[in-house]
Amino acid sequence: EAQVTQNPRYLITVTGKKLTVTCSQNMNHEYMSWYRQDPGLGLRQIYYSMNVEVTDKGDVPEGYKVSRKEKRNFPLILESPSPNQTSLYFCASSLQDSGANVLTFGAGSRLTVL
Amino acid sequence: GNSVTQMEGPVTLSEEAFLTINCTYTATGYPSLFWYVQYPGEGLQLLLKATKADDKGSNKGFEATYRKETTSFHLEKGSVQVSDSAVYFCALTPGQGAQKLVFGQGTRLTINP
Repeated sequence: EAQVTQNPRYLITVTGKKLTVTCSQNMNHEYMSWYRQDPGLGLRQIYYSMNVEVTDKGDVPEGYKVSRKEKRNFPLILESPSPNQTSLYFCASSLQDSGANVLTFGAGSRLTVL
Repeated sequence: GNSVTQMEGPVTLSEEAFLTINCTYTATGYPSLFWYVQYPGEGLQLLLKATKADDKGSNKGFEATYRKETTSFHLEKGSVQVSDSAVYFCALTPGQGAQKLVFGQGTRLTINP
């Protein structure tokens, strides 16, 4: 089954404790992206990647890092999480030809930073 | 800049009612427009899209027409079902080769039997 898989789905952590949210897709998509969803704000792009070793900032990159060492994986790293990073996070992917248009989303990772 | 504004929710309707969720946009260039749907506990799924003015996107009984003159892309369905209960997001990509979707804030729809 074609899908984007995120882990963990739920996480409660404390300020300053480094964490990584993994994202993996099995569709051989070149384009991958991370969004955060907050009430009243919709989804906002954090980072995106056009292909292996090619990443760029989205609209709200502060406090986050990403890497794209393999085509299928695009982990989101919070080096020192803070409470304002409490949010619902989505990873998404698409074929390069379609750009960011037709995204396949993961099921989401709900993060709480105390 | 690029932005999307959706009607405020939540919206509650009875089964078989007519649905309209308003969406207007601001964009430079020639955006493509989308509706995504998020069912409880799931990620977003593409519902329909339109890539140029006057195009109509349709899927699962939902329709939306790209209106350049009013910068709108309202979502409609003639007869909603309980299974349509979800959060609906209007979105745009600013132009050819753009690398992000710009989302509206989402509208939560609840359909009562």
